[in-house]
Amino acid sequence: GAGVSQSPSNKVTEKGKDVELRCDPISGHTALYWYRQSLGQGLEFLIYFQGNSAPDKSGLPSDRFSAERTGGSVSTLTIQRTQQEDSAVYLCASRGGSSYEQYFGPGTRLTVT
Amino acid sequence: QKEVEQNSGPLSVPEGAIASLNCTYSDRGSQSFFWYRQYSGKSPELIMFIYSNGDKEDGRFTAQLNKASQYVSLLIRDSQPSDSATYLCAVMGSNDYKLSFGAGTTVTVRA
Repeated sequence: GAGVSQSPSNKVTEKGKDVELRCDPISGHTALYWYRQSLGQGLEFLIYFQGNSAPDKSGLPSDRFSAERTGGSVSTLTIQRTQQEDSAVYLCASRGGSSYEQYFGPGTRLTVT
Repeated sequence: QKEVEQNSGPLSVPEGAIASLNCTYSDRGSQSFFWYRQYSGKSPELIMFIYSNGDKEDGRFTAQLNKASQYVSLLIRDSQPSDSATYLCAVMGSNDYKLSFGAGTTVTVRA
């Protein structure tokens, strides 16, 4: 079946602009995660959705970052007023309700110039 | 102290040999453990998960878990050049469903 999809695959933006990153999880997966991977920081958790609610937002690095999920499916991660330190690969993962395994999408490479 | 630590590597093994990857974690209550393989420029791919003490085998991969020692390992038998990648150890916390990742071990299999 189809895996996790993310768009865009690459995004180049100017410092100070807002960006939206999209994640479409595996069909039927109720849990959705956002992670960020950068050279200096490794792979770090950002936010977790169960259905449409976000019980854990502890990894969001600043109030410029927000995320929502609608219809228990697609999620959007929004970064406002982007900074150069936001440059990274943003990864989305989903998990079925009765399992613990998380499956990653291909990621969005964000470059802030 | 990092939550998840892996042997730093890089690890270079000849084709056909066994590659051994190690990981320790700090949250004693963790119950779920995962190994992801990540090729350069690609996203992590789940290759093994283990929840109980002992060994779990899947093809050429064996995961080993020792909760008392807070240690999990991955063995790759009969290593192939296609196994050359970075291997990430991930641990699910005792109180939540998010993953904490180690920094990864880069494996190179020499033909």
